[in-house]
Amino acid sequence: DAMVIQNPRYQVTQFGKPVTLSCSQTLNHNVMYWYQQKSSQAPKLLFHYYDKDFNNEADTPDNFQSRRPNTSFCFLDIRSPGLGDAAMYLCATSRDSSPGTGAYEQYFGPGTRLTVT
Amino acid sequence: KNQVEQSPQSLIILEGKNCTLQCNYTVSPFSNLRWYKQDTGRGPVSLTIMTFSENTKSNGRYTATLDADTKQSSLHITASQLSDSASYICVVGGGYNKLIFGAGTRLAVHP
Repeated sequence: DAMVIQNPRYQVTQFGKPVTLSCSQTLNHNVMYWYQQKSSQAPKLLFHYYDKDFNNEADTPDNFQSRRPNTSFCFLDIRSPGLGDAAMYLCATSRDSSPGTGAYEQYFGPGTRLTVT
Repeated sequence: KNQVEQSPQSLIILEGKNCTLQCNYTVSPFSNLRWYKQDTGRGPVSLTIMTFSENTKSNGRYTATLDADTKQSSLHITASQLSDSASYICVVGGGYNKLIFGAGTRLAVHP
């Protein structure tokens, strides 16, 4: 039973052409996260939503935007993808916005691998 | 600086053998420590999560230990299987909304 679903699994876009990645969840969790993971590196948090409240990491480029129209869906928009944006993009959910202080688990989706040509 | 360091970077073992992966962290404040398994091209899947007061937790053939005094954790895999081939990521929960990820250990189990 899929709990965190990401579409598409593989996305190819052209340099500078806007692209949107989607994530949906069936867990009814109030927090959703977007991570960027490059080859052989740890996932890097881009931003997260606590309900409708958007929280951006300080070093996330302006090129990355996000939308959360409802509890179940969250989108990652890359306005002008560069070659350096090629990576795996992971969506995750949890019940609490303080995963560092509580023991609430983060559930990851399978990821979308983005290729920029 | 909050950091999570894992060793070894990569490891090859034969099927059926045991292995232990290491994680050292310098994260303050510390709340919890998690181990994830990430298959190639997939999202991470949680194996264990331990809070400050816990020093060991098992999940099938996976056993994690935590020494909060020395800021070290280990993940022991017993009787390895080919399906254990993956990256294993140590993640430390720090202050509000902070998860600090290690770079992972890439494990290959050979027949």
